Amino acid sequence: QSALTQPASVSGSPGQSITISCTGTSSDVGGYNYVSWYQQHPGKAPKLMIYDVSKRPSGISNRFSGSKSGNTASLTISGLQAEDEADYYCSSYTSSSTWVFGGGTKLTVL
Amino acid sequence: QLQLQESGPGLVKPSETLSLTCTVSGGSISSSSYYWGWIRQPPGKGLEWIGSIYYSGSTYYNPSLKSRVTISVDTSKNQFSLKLSSVTAADTAVYYCARYGGNGRNAFDIWGQGTMVTVSS
Repeated sequence: QSALTQPASVSGSPGQSITISCTGTSSDVGGYNYVSWYQQHPGKAPKLMIYDVSKRPSGISNRFSGSKSGNTASLTISGLQAEDEADYYCSSYTSSSTWVFGGGTKLTVL
Repeated sequence: QLQLQESGPGLVKPSETLSLTCTVSGGSISSSSYYWGWIRQPPGKGLEWIGSIYYSGSTYYNPSLKSRVTISVDTSKNQFSLKLSSVTAADTAVYYCARYGGNGRNAFDIWGQGTMVTVSS
């Protein structure tokens, strides 16, 4: 199975909004509303930020939002803050009853 | 509060079998509707799903690793385990265990802290 496609890096200034895309196929992202997003700071375990495309776990800021259109899911972070600087990964369930991650996106807060 | 903790050797020789255990505390591994999974991350690279086991014992593996991977559950010890055979340097990574499906979330919602495994002679 192929990894989902994410941009290698994105950047934004404090207060701005950024969007990270995650492109798959009709067998994964496009076929199920089981897309999730994870934030990972250096040396730390990934942390769930968004599940089921657009739902936030309790405790996650509403500055984080998710959406999906066709085979592409997106994570938007509004009101960028310094602590948002991290790596972000998307993941999806697949039609083969497996899971696949994206290659990851490094977010830099300028 | 549910917690996961990986354990196992930090150094494995090439061609040998990597064996890791994930201990679940604060809850039962037999709880329905959960998958228990292994994910790895080579140094400086992204996350790779290795495989998952359902609470009923059904297993699901990454096709690229399927021939070398076995995941099992020991409900008496509240643990699940990973075995990866015939390892090479390419298997050097931080290995994470994680829960999928908790609280009705279709996501890996709880992760262990990760354990670094180096494959080297």
